[in-house]
Amino acid sequence: AQSVSQHNHHVILSEAASLELGCNYSYGGTVNLFWYVQYPGQHLQLLLKYFSGDPLVKGIKGFEAEFIKSKFSFNLRKPSVQWSDTAEYFCAVSNSGYSTLTFGKGTMLLVSP
Amino acid sequence: GAVVSQHPSWVICKSGTSVKIECRSLDFQATTMFWYRQFPKQSLMLMATSNEGSKATYEQGVEKDKFLINHASLTLSTLTVTSAHPEDSSFYICSADPGLAGHNEQFFGPGTRLTVL
Repeated sequence: AQSVSQHNHHVILSEAASLELGCNYSYGGTVNLFWYVQYPGQHLQLLLKYFSGDPLVKGIKGFEAEFIKSKFSFNLRKPSVQWSDTAEYFCAVSNSGYSTLTFGKGTMLLVSP
Repeated sequence: GAVVSQHPSWVICKSGTSVKIECRSLDFQATTMFWYRQFPKQSLMLMATSNEGSKATYEQGVEKDKFLINHASLTLSTLTVTSAHPEDSSFYICSADPGLAGHNEQFFGPGTRLTVL
């Protein structure tokens, strides 16, 4: 069965700092990869996704993620965070051809102004 | 496009009563819908997968008689929490997959906060 691990449960950064959130998955086959964000009191929103092609994926709000197949990783990055990026971030994986998602435990990001 | 709604957004009920939560895909037809629950400060846990017109597939540990799922049309799925108890209090989230070939993706509803007194 697929499993997804997010290495950091809590991250605290100052505004303008760079961000990298780790995500690793276990399944060795072809996968689809997602990053979702959940702002306080709001529902899940898609930040970016990877299905195929360029392993460097650009999403909304200046986020990007890089798929490294050899490392089973899909880390999320942002060069300069803002206070409004304070939220919980979830990495999710599905096996190609299927929509069933396996979520990581999430990383709570707190950005101090 | 690809909007999913849930109703109600929150509900408070007494222990022992049943609560129905609706999930609708507003601008697309969903071949598959999913139900999750999310406890505070935790990740989403998949409860069940439902395909229109067939029985839902429940994840291990989820009681199918307690969490009744009906997917009667391509735009509507319902989750009924039967004989709810305080431990069922949680955030229930649905998602829908339009079933586009080669592009399996779920679109999430805003969630329903259930509080059982």
